[in-house]
Amino acid sequence: SAVISQKPSRDICQRGTSLTIQCQVDSQVTMMFWYRQQPGQSLTLIATANQGSEATYESGFVIDKFPISRPNLTFSTLTVSNMSPEDSSIYLCSVGEPLEKLFFGSGTQLSVL
Amino acid sequence: GQQVMQIPQYQHVQEGEDFTTYCNSSTTLSNIQWYKQRPGGHPVFLIQLVKSGEVKKQKRLTFQFGEAKKNSSLHITATQTTDVGTYFCAGRKAAGNKLTFGGGTRVLVKP
Repeated sequence: SAVISQKPSRDICQRGTSLTIQCQVDSQVTMMFWYRQQPGQSLTLIATANQGSEATYESGFVIDKFPISRPNLTFSTLTVSNMSPEDSSIYLCSVGEPLEKLFFGSGTQLSVL
Repeated sequence: GQQVMQIPQYQHVQEGEDFTTYCNSSTTLSNIQWYKQRPGGHPVFLIQLVKSGEVKKQKRLTFQFGEAKKNSSLHITATQTTDVGTYFCAGRKAAGNKLTFGGGTRVLVKP
């Protein structure tokens, strides 16, 4: 199993600012993903964080809005840029090996005023 | 694109009763996973099904993968208050790593 530390756990931000969320894993993992979960809704994949190269974004998500870094096999960051109230959500880091189960971080609850 | 749908969206269950939640994919899946998310928590992996028609049990939970590998079900017997939460299915298409999550079934248990 993988232990994931995700920071911050919650934040309240002003419109137009940016927030960087960190995801630290206690072991090397092949796959790292970033999901968004609106209150009471399902999980939507934002992107796959690729080690040493640009992230792979899903339809509807772009690098300028959600830049992602993955400098090594245990760490990734997601930045939510130029925030608006519509970005208020829970952001989840998840990790796993190809074709296997996912482990999730405890999430970052973001509120944008 | 691939869609994964779950029904019902909400399930109110009397403690001790059984219920089933269903998951349907618009495309054939290589495997399907189930997760449980407690209120205020994060999703936690329950099980993975890979083979056509596969059935797996975890205590009071029975998971089934359809013969065509496009649908799945989770049946819970003798529901307990600890079963409260949202149950998500998540499917993978063949030769892919991306998991597509269903909308979830939110389970409330009446004592």
